[in-house]
Amino acid sequence: EAGVVQSPRYKIIEKKQPVAFWCNPISGHNTLYWYRQNLGQGPELLIRYENEEAVDDSQLPKDRFSAERLKGVDSTLKIQPAELGDSAVYLCASRLGGKYNEQFFGPGTRLTVL
Amino acid sequence: KNEVEQSPQNLTAQEGEFITINCSYSVGISALHWLQQHPGGGIVSLFMLSSGKKKHGRLIATINIQEKHSSLHITASHPRDSAVYICAVLPGGSEKLVFGKGTKLTVNP
Repeated sequence: EAGVVQSPRYKIIEKKQPVAFWCNPISGHNTLYWYRQNLGQGPELLIRYENEEAVDDSQLPKDRFSAERLKGVDSTLKIQPAELGDSAVYLCASRLGGKYNEQFFGPGTRLTVL
Repeated sequence: KNEVEQSPQNLTAQEGEFITINCSYSVGISALHWLQQHPGGGIVSLFMLSSGKKKHGRLIATINIQEKHSSLHITASHPRDSAVYICAVLPGGSEKLVFGKGTKLTVNP
């Protein structure tokens, strides 16, 4: 069974440019998470979806970040415009069932903003 | 102060040594996770604990709910164990994991 797929794996852009990350969760997983991980830190939640509904986006910087999960499967996270401080690894994770079940993480997208 | 504190931040060991990584947290939790992150790779879940002790191969995880403390032990460490080990807690009544900063383990041959 394929794991969580993310693309691209690496992205280098100049500040003020837009960027988008894509995530394909494990088939059948209803919960999808986007995390941001800064160097030397643990992941921080940006947004959580239950199927197609964003149920926790309290830590998503809504002035420049947006996300969608159309049809409750794949998800896209967008930054427009990117700032230097957005350089980080963006991780997608998915989960089947309740909150005590394991989250499965993708390999992440490493974003560098110059 | 972070809700989840890990120690040490960095740990270097020789192959074969017994490793202990500690995690302390300040809130009531319903579960605690130990995760492994290899350089350039994603995160893999090792254990989820709500009480007692779990063992998987050379890895052992323990938790003391009263003391708000968990430990991850690695017996007979090997260079392939080199990774960042992250503790994450699920606060009671919350759906959101709170992560520690991780402990970077390097095991030398």
